Amino acid sequence: GAGVSQSPSNKVTEKGKDVELRCDPISGHTALYWYRQSLGQGLEFLIYFQGNSAPDKSGLPSDRFSAERTGGSVSTLTIQRTQQEDSAVYLCASSLEGRLSTDTQYFGPGTRLTVL
Amino acid sequence: SQQGEEDPQALSIQEGENATMNCSYKTSINNLQWYRQNSGRGLVHLILIRSNEREKHSGRLRVTLDTSKKSSSLLITASRAADTASYFCAPYSGYALNFGKGTSLLVTP
Repeated sequence: GAGVSQSPSNKVTEKGKDVELRCDPISGHTALYWYRQSLGQGLEFLIYFQGNSAPDKSGLPSDRFSAERTGGSVSTLTIQRTQQEDSAVYLCASSLEGRLSTDTQYFGPGTRLTVL
Repeated sequence: SQQGEEDPQALSIQEGENATMNCSYKTSINNLQWYRQNSGRGLVHLILIRSNEREKHSGRLRVTLDTSKKSSSLLITASRAADTASYFCAPYSGYALNFGKGTSLLVTP
C-alpha cells in the first residue's frame, strides 16, 4: 500500500478485556516498530521486528503485552486484561531495513485505545 | 536514556516569523531525526542529520547538531499557519527512536 495502515482507528474497551491492534506496514519494509503515546507524553518505544523476529522486547510495559508478526508483513499487538493506564494512542511504523543510521521510519495514523 | 528533550514546550509566533526549537539528549547517537505531528497527518518524518554532520537544510527547515554539547536545533523559516503542529526530536542509536514530549508550535495568521 501507499503507507502504513492501522486498525481499528479507535477502540473503546472495558477494563479487563483483551484487545488486538493491527498494523499493515509499507510493502517491502522488513522492519516494523510499535510505539505508544500517552496524553501529554512523548512516544514510548514498545517493540521492534526485523522480519518475523523481535530482537528487542524490552519496551513492552508488562507481560500483558505481546506482539507478533507473520509473513514478514502484518503485525498484531495484543493487550490482555486491559487496564485504564493502557489508554493511549498506539503507533506502528515501518522502515526499509532497520538498524541503519539512515533508515527513515514511516508511521501509521495510530489506534486510539480507551479503557473504561 | 537516549530520550530527546525539546525546548520550549510551547511556542507561539505569527506567520512569516522564524521558529526555533531545541533538543538535548544524553548519550552518543548515530543520527538524530526530527518529526512533526498534527491531527491531520499523523507523525511525519522531517529531516535526519547524521552524527558526523553539523548542519542540514531541507526547504524552509534548517537543522544543526552539536555532538559535543549533545544538542540539536530545528529552525523553520518564514513560518506558515500550516506549520502549526508538535515537533519531536528523536535521537537514534540503533533501531528505536526515543522521542521526547515535543514542542507545540502555533503559527497565527
